[in-house]
Amino acid sequence: DQQVKQNSPSLSVQEGRISILNCDYTNSMFDYFLWYKKYPAEGPTFLISISSIKDKNEDGRFTVFLNKSAKHLSLHIVPSQPGDSAVYFCAARSQEAAGNKLTFGGGTRVLVKP
Amino acid sequence: ETGVTQTPRHLVMGMTNKKSLKCEQHLGHNAMYWYKQSAKKPLELMFVYNFKEQTENNSVPSRFSPECPNSSHLFLHLHTLQPEDSALYLCASSQGTGMDTEAFFGQGTRLTVV
Repeated sequence: DQQVKQNSPSLSVQEGRISILNCDYTNSMFDYFLWYKKYPAEGPTFLISISSIKDKNEDGRFTVFLNKSAKHLSLHIVPSQPGDSAVYFCAARSQEAAGNKLTFGGGTRVLVKP
Repeated sequence: ETGVTQTPRHLVMGMTNKKSLKCEQHLGHNAMYWYKQSAKKPLELMFVYNFKEQTENNSVPSRFSPECPNSSHLFLHLHTLQPEDSALYLCASSQGTGMDTEAFFGQGTRLTVV
């Protein structure tokens, strides 16, 4: 049973427009959420995170929104650039888990068209 | 350069072989992890080491044997694997295991068991 789900396996967006990636979770003990970006043949790289005490965190073109009551978070990329084309993983960490254990979603492949 | 280096990048092994995956981090982190990504499945945590001590074994079969001789090095010893063990194996590290610490990933080892 997947505790973190990214229901859209792929997303195509025009350069300059907004990319919105969604992530849903089921475990109410998750208290810290991260987004990772992965290019082919490379490991995931950390993008942005949010603690459960916040509902928004912004870093340049990237903004993560958290809706705890809906157990939903989203990543907004605006404006989207061709270099943003990658697979994006949502990850969550439980306050009851030791060792920074991350539970990942299945990923969303983003293609930004010039 | 992510600071986390994995070798080899690709490995093909027979089911009777013994091989080892190596991970080295140059970030001064105290915690290291092995993750597995099978085709069409999310990243799955396998093992967690914190200050060289194993703190998490996520029900991993004994044919996978981790070793952490120090905080900078992590190995995954492989013995009598099955074809279904073919996957991308990712190493990660983090500064401690508390809140607000993101994991940094290596580029992964693509393992094929024949």
